[in-house]
Amino acid sequence: AQSVTQLGSHVSVSEGALVLLRCNYSSSVPPYLFWYVQYPNQGLQLLLKYTSAATLVKGINGFEAEFKKSETSFHLTKPSAHMSDAAEYFCAVSGFFGNEKLTFGTGTRLTIIP
Amino acid sequence: DAGITQSPRHKVTETGTPVTLRCHQTENHRYMYWYRQDPGHGLRLIHYSYGVKDTDKGEVSDGYSVSRSKTEDFLLTLESATSSQTSVYFCAISEGVSSYNEQFFGPGTRLTVL
Repeated sequence: AQSVTQLGSHVSVSEGALVLLRCNYSSSVPPYLFWYVQYPNQGLQLLLKYTSAATLVKGINGFEAEFKKSETSFHLTKPSAHMSDAAEYFCAVSGFFGNEKLTFGTGTRLTIIP
Repeated sequence: DAGITQSPRHKVTETGTPVTLRCHQTENHRYMYWYRQDPGHGLRLIHYSYGVKDTDKGEVSDGYSVSRSKTEDFLLTLESATSSQTSVYFCAISEGVSSYNEQFFGPGTRLTVL
């Protein structure tokens, strides 16, 4: 079975500062990993996904994530935070190709300080 | 935006009453999912469908049933609602298996069981 752990349910950063949201995965097979974002009162939308093609994955809105097998991590970063980045972010894992389901983490709420 | 609608968007009901939530898609995607979102738990899969009349259980299926008689509609039924089923419910769709395909989410239904 696969799972993800998101460290920190709440993260606050100043506008213009680095954003780092942490995700560690557990999977018995090479994982497929995803980051989704949820803006207030909306559904989730995909930020980026890792499907083994490249370890550094670039997504929308300037976000990127790096797959590190040795650390079983898939942390999300953005060099310079913007007020519009305030949202909840979810890491998700699908354990093998052909898996019909995703397993989501508990989420990290990102607050941007002006 | 993916064509996914959920109805109703908000509902308040009493313990013991049946409740049906509807998810409708215009994308002709094969897979449809029902999740519930609760603070501290992230998103948890209730049931999913991989085709008309083909459904399977997710992580938290007890107390819920689903039906899919047409490609575009996926119904979630709470046979006898309980206060523990107070939550925000999201429908999602996917063209193919989740290990490689993005899930697109609806706007959510906020259900309160008194």
